Amino acid sequence: KNQVEQSPQSLIILEGKNCTLQCNYTVSPFSNLRWYKQDTGRGPVSLTIMTFSENTKSNGRYTATLDADTKQSSLHITASQLSDSASYICVVGSTDSWGKLQFGAGTQVVVTP
Amino acid sequence: NAGVTQTPKFRILKIGQSMTLQCTQDMNHNYMYWYRQDPGMGLKLIYYSVGAGITDKGEVPNGYNVSRSTTEDFPLRLELAAPSQTSVYFCASRDRGAGLSNQPQHFGDGTRLSIL
Repeated sequence: KNQVEQSPQSLIILEGKNCTLQCNYTVSPFSNLRWYKQDTGRGPVSLTIMTFSENTKSNGRYTATLDADTKQSSLHITASQLSDSASYICVVGSTDSWGKLQFGAGTQVVVTP
Repeated sequence: NAGVTQTPKFRILKIGQSMTLQCTQDMNHNYMYWYRQDPGMGLKLIYYSVGAGITDKGEVPNGYNVSRSTTEDFPLRLELAAPSQTSVYFCASRDRGAGLSNQPQHFGDGTRLSIL
């Protein structure tokens, strides 16, 4: 069973609208939670990294939240742009010696004009 | 900086052939990783390295080998290609950092490999 579950699998939003992506995890022991953006045909690019003590972090129009008690995170995209069309991947890091990461399957976001 | 560079971008192999996927980074990062990404699945770690001369297995190492003779290069070798190895392969690197592992991984743009 995957230790990082993302929802929805995909969504379509109108340009200019907001959306929120969800991530639930069971990875333990927890070290950090990351959100990556992956454009089609490209490698993932880091958006945010949050540790146990952080419950929100922003990167431009992207805002990630973390609730370590319920093991949930969300990524909020504000005022979406066509360039936001991509897969958004939730990644959870463990506290083992080399920082093993568990990757979610991603949420495919399509922004339409 | 070019970041993480992977070659080739695309490759088609026949069953039983061998090949090496190249990965090089110019950020002087100690840590390097190889992942595979299959449709509808999260990335899976194949091998990783914490420095030149040091490599270790990840979650799905069977059928692959790696070497790390320099800080910059981390090639991935497929010895006997099988259809199950059809995938997109990503190389990544990260700085050691002050914390345990709270550094972003920097990814290449992948090698798309088909085994027929």
